[in-house]
Amino acid sequence: AAGVIQSPRHLIKEKRETATLKCYPIPRHDTVYWYQQGPGQDPQFLISFYEKMQSDKGSIPDRFSAQQFSDYHSELNMSSLELGDSALYFCASSSHLSGTGFLTDTQYFGPGTRLTVL
Amino acid sequence: GDSVTQMEGPVTLSEEAFLTINCTYTATGYPSLFWYVQYPGEGLQLLLKATKADDKGSNKGFEATYRKETTSFHLEKGSVQVSDSAVYFCALRGPGNTGKLIFGQGTTLQVKP
Repeated sequence: AAGVIQSPRHLIKEKRETATLKCYPIPRHDTVYWYQQGPGQDPQFLISFYEKMQSDKGSIPDRFSAQQFSDYHSELNMSSLELGDSALYFCASSSHLSGTGFLTDTQYFGPGTRLTVL
Repeated sequence: GDSVTQMEGPVTLSEEAFLTINCTYTATGYPSLFWYVQYPGEGLQLLLKATKADDKGSNKGFEATYRKETTSFHLEKGSVQVSDSAVYFCALRGPGNTGKLIFGQGTTLQVKP
């Protein structure tokens, strides 16, 4: 079965540079979530999108922005990178039950993008 | 706000030992509860879930029961294997209908042959 795809898998950037992370949800999933997992930490929710609109926002820095496109893939744009942004960034997807607007419980996670800021 | 607290690790067990990883939560209402597992160098995989009080989630020999009275969702397995070595995260579905997950701090399990 198709899973959530994230690219790139690894990314190395210098301080103050920008980075773009991409996420391709499971086919027919309409909701995308982004999480940040620092070394030895639990994943922290950043932001989510449903039908191309932002649906919720967590502890996402103002230097970061994200969007969901018409094909449901999502991109997380990170500017003015700092050393503390080094982390594993996960994307997850889920879907709404057709005709109900009810969000299903299970989120499926991608393998993550490991960002290292030097 | 809603939160999840897990027992601190690492937990080190011998193969075939009994496993318990404690998880308690604080939440308004009755959120769905989850256990995710993260193997070294990999992403998060859903292990099991429970959506209402007294539900028992189970998968691959792991079990957890949603206890409303003690606000707990402890993970158990009767006989662990070396291949179970991983980090285990307890999580709850946050408030509202947006579905974001709130995770505990994770518990590292190491199983020795």
